[in-house]
Amino acid sequence: GAGVSQSPSNKVTEKGKDVELRCDPISGHTALYWYRQRLGQGLEFLIYFQGNSAPDKSGLPSDRFSAERTGESVSTLTIQRTQQEDSAVYLCASSLAGTGGGGGYTFGSGTRLTVV
Amino acid sequence: KQEVTQIPAALSVPEGENLVLNCSFTDSAIYNLQWFRQDPGKGLTSLLLIQSSQREQTSGRLNASLDKSSGRSTLYIAASQPGDSATYLCAVRPGTNAGKSTFGDGTTLTVKP
Repeated sequence: GAGVSQSPSNKVTEKGKDVELRCDPISGHTALYWYRQRLGQGLEFLIYFQGNSAPDKSGLPSDRFSAERTGESVSTLTIQRTQQEDSAVYLCASSLAGTGGGGGYTFGSGTRLTVV
Repeated sequence: KQEVTQIPAALSVPEGENLVLNCSFTDSAIYNLQWFRQDPGKGLTSLLLIQSSQREQTSGRLNASLDKSSGRSTLYIAASQPGDSATYLCAVRPGTNAGKSTFGDGTTLTVKP
């Protein structure tokens, strides 16, 4: 697609429920990134995909968080047994990797997750 | 480990002023540096991307410079307008162009009419 698409744009869930957040990157972008931004805070790195592999998942805060990517395209971030501290905006970005295209990030509009 | 610092954290100026936002980084082995704008409650919009071999990039009233040797980049905004009010973030990509960029915490700009 023309841009990075994230869904849903807003999600309200009850504490303890599981949620899935989806990211559709720009077609042909081999690198995909997930970040989290709590209210009034900076960006917190979660995980990076190169193709369908995740060489860097060092930012996932606990084993309740997992992510996958299929077909070198769509990625899903899953949060199990949500807690109130998971409330944040979850941002996805994609880029070309290697020496092509300058390697700049393009971000989606984010998913605002509220755990009540 | 790359560290990116943006000073000041907040800046307020009257409309029409020219201003400079600063970004410093500790590891000069970078692939590129990217400036973003973030409006409240929104995602990040890319403003300018500077490759490591470049010294500056311009888009409209915006000019970004890069000095790798000193680990600094500046974003110059000419003739500021109230619509420029937002948080501005810089991000530095590692020299291998693999892996994640490191983001600064941003400068929140307010342009007063």
